[in-house]
Amino acid sequence: GIQVEQSPPDLILQEGANSTLRCNFSDSVNNLQWFHQNPWGQLINLFYIPSGTKQNGRLSATTVATERYSLLYISSSQTTDSGVYFCAVGGRGSTLGRLYFGRGTQLTVWP
Amino acid sequence: EPEVTQTPSHQVTQMGQEVILRCVPISNHLYFYWYRQILGQKVEFLVSFYNNEISEKSEIFDDQFSVERPDGSNFTLKIRSTKLEDSAMYFCASSYPLDRGINEQFFGPGTRLTVL
Repeated sequence: GIQVEQSPPDLILQEGANSTLRCNFSDSVNNLQWFHQNPWGQLINLFYIPSGTKQNGRLSATTVATERYSLLYISSSQTTDSGVYFCAVGGRGSTLGRLYFGRGTQLTVWP
Repeated sequence: EPEVTQTPSHQVTQMGQEVILRCVPISNHLYFYWYRQILGQKVEFLVSFYNNEISEKSEIFDDQFSVERPDGSNFTLKIRSTKLEDSAMYFCASSYPLDRGINEQFFGPGTRLTVL
């Protein structure tokens, strides 16, 4: 299967700070999604971004598929941004596009 | 906005018992999935399902597991004889691919299964 490495594993920030989360993957992909797992365990879709750049409010993401990495940017972080951020990728060898998840980045934002 | 729903939110069972986890995917979606997440670990794929057939399954999805779409709205995961190591959060997901193999998956809130 596809290996997905996320860094850093843990990130602690003061409210208002900016951060960059990285996702490296080991093979060509046709699907890449970023999720936020909230304290109740729910996976919230942030971006569907197999290539290119997208922005949604204070969050933006960039995937460079040819170099096999994606970045998630969080600007002006808020305490509600705390939680685990997962990157998940789907490869071309899977008919329905099973997702391979990374181990996540645990983000803690202090007031 | 349409969303994937799952019931129950929590399930506690005794080892060896059968459990059925239920999901209602987004209504116009065609592809359905189950994933699980053992506490503190990453999310792992179990099975994908399309047109009333399993499309792909992982090595975790052994003979103890089965899936079914009993009607036009529900999608179920059955664990025949639960083990302690089946304790996990189970997520259902669905997608409507615009192109074959390219699709965004939407996840339900999960069912937390505890096996005693």
